[in-house]
Amino acid sequence: GDSVTQMEGPVTLSEEAFLTINCTYTATGYPSLFWYVQYPGEGLQLLLKATKADDKGSNKGFEATYRKETTSFHLEKGSVQVSDSAVYFCALSDRETSGSRLTFGEGTQLTVNP
Amino acid sequence: GAVVSQHPSRVICKSGTSVKIECRSLDFQATTMFWYRQFPKQSLMLMATSNEGSKATYEQGVEKDKFLINHASLTLSTLTVTSAHPEDSSFYICSAERGRYNEQFFGPGTRLTVL
Repeated sequence: GDSVTQMEGPVTLSEEAFLTINCTYTATGYPSLFWYVQYPGEGLQLLLKATKADDKGSNKGFEATYRKETTSFHLEKGSVQVSDSAVYFCALSDRETSGSRLTFGEGTQLTVNP
Repeated sequence: GAVVSQHPSRVICKSGTSVKIECRSLDFQATTMFWYRQFPKQSLMLMATSNEGSKATYEQGVEKDKFLINHASLTLSTLTVTSAHPEDSSFYICSAERGRYNEQFFGPGTRLTVL
């Protein structure tokens, strides 16, 4: 079945540091890939997405490129802020095998210190 | 646009009672809604897929008689936790699928505590 693996957290960075959160996936079809962010006590918000190979999703300074050859969708940001502290989830949706159901990674807790 | 609400945001109940959680899509119609459960510091676990006007599809291991789902309209799905026990304490999150883009929009979650 489909699966998503994220780098283990927690990740602690200083403000303005470079961020990378690794995400790899396994899917039988051609999935769409997503990054969601969850702030404390809240639900999930879509951060960015990519629907086909080599697409780059970007939002709020975050970027991720859909790499089919390495089955990866790593999240990056050049300069993090304290307000970026949250839990980040990588996810996939494989229409051919499971419709619009989302399969989530384990989540990575990011803490940014001033 | 694409706002999903949940009510209540927090609920505390006694063991053995039932609790109903509402999920509403405020500005779009959602044929499909999803219910997730999230334990502390863990990922979201899909519990069931709720389709308007039909029975919900439950994931393996989820008791359908304990977690009753009703999707009575295109903007409302409810999850009722029946005969709740302390182990049912969790963060419950719903999402609604907006048909045109098939994108899921998530509610803010409901924190259930069973004493």
